[in-house]
Amino acid sequence: AQSVTQPDIHITVSEGASLELRCNYSYGATPYLFWYVQSPGQGLQLLLKYFSGDTLVQGIKGFEAEFKRSQSSFNLRKPSVHWSDAAEYFCAVGAGSGGGADGLTFGKGTHLIIQP
Amino acid sequence: GAGVSQTPSNKVTEKGKYVELRCDPISGHTALYWYRQSLGQGPEFLIYFQGTGAADDSGLPNDRFFAVRPEGSVSTLKIQRTERGDSAVYLCASSRGLPGAYEQFFGPGTRLTVL
Repeated sequence: AQSVTQPDIHITVSEGASLELRCNYSYGATPYLFWYVQSPGQGLQLLLKYFSGDTLVQGIKGFEAEFKRSQSSFNLRKPSVHWSDAAEYFCAVGAGSGGGADGLTFGKGTHLIIQP
Repeated sequence: GAGVSQTPSNKVTEKGKYVELRCDPISGHTALYWYRQSLGQGPEFLIYFQGTGAADDSGLPNDRFFAVRPEGSVSTLKIQRTERGDSAVYLCASSRGLPGAYEQFFGPGTRLTVL
């Protein structure tokens, strides 16, 4: 079965500073990988996804993520954060060609706090 | 266009009662998913429908939980004999096709509180 670890429960970043949120996954085959953002009172919104091909993927709102198979990681980055980026961020893995449960498996999330 | 909608947005019930939570997916989406999100946790997969049939119900915690999608569109999650531990936000998502290959669009959720 697949699993996702987000080692940082909370991260505090100053506005304008760069951001990296960590995500490690466990899956026996090539996974489908996702980053979602959840703001208070809002539904989950997809930031970006990796299925295959180029390991550096670009998403919405200036976010990018890099798939590193050797490290089983899919870290999310942004060069300069804005106060509106404060939210909960979830990494998720979906079964790729190897099968497995049909839903997404989410990490526990990282709460991003932006300091002025 | 309209996104995934869920009703009610909040539901308060007493221990032992029966509840139904409704999900209206995006029009044309054949796949529908239910997740449960407890406080401080990520969403946890419950069940996946492809069309009218439950293709994967491996995430349902026990037989008190049941879901239907009789016409391949709207789905209802049913919880019998509710327990305080069932309190959570229940999320519904839909997608165009095969799991994993297509983006899942999430609804705002139903917050269930069992007293």
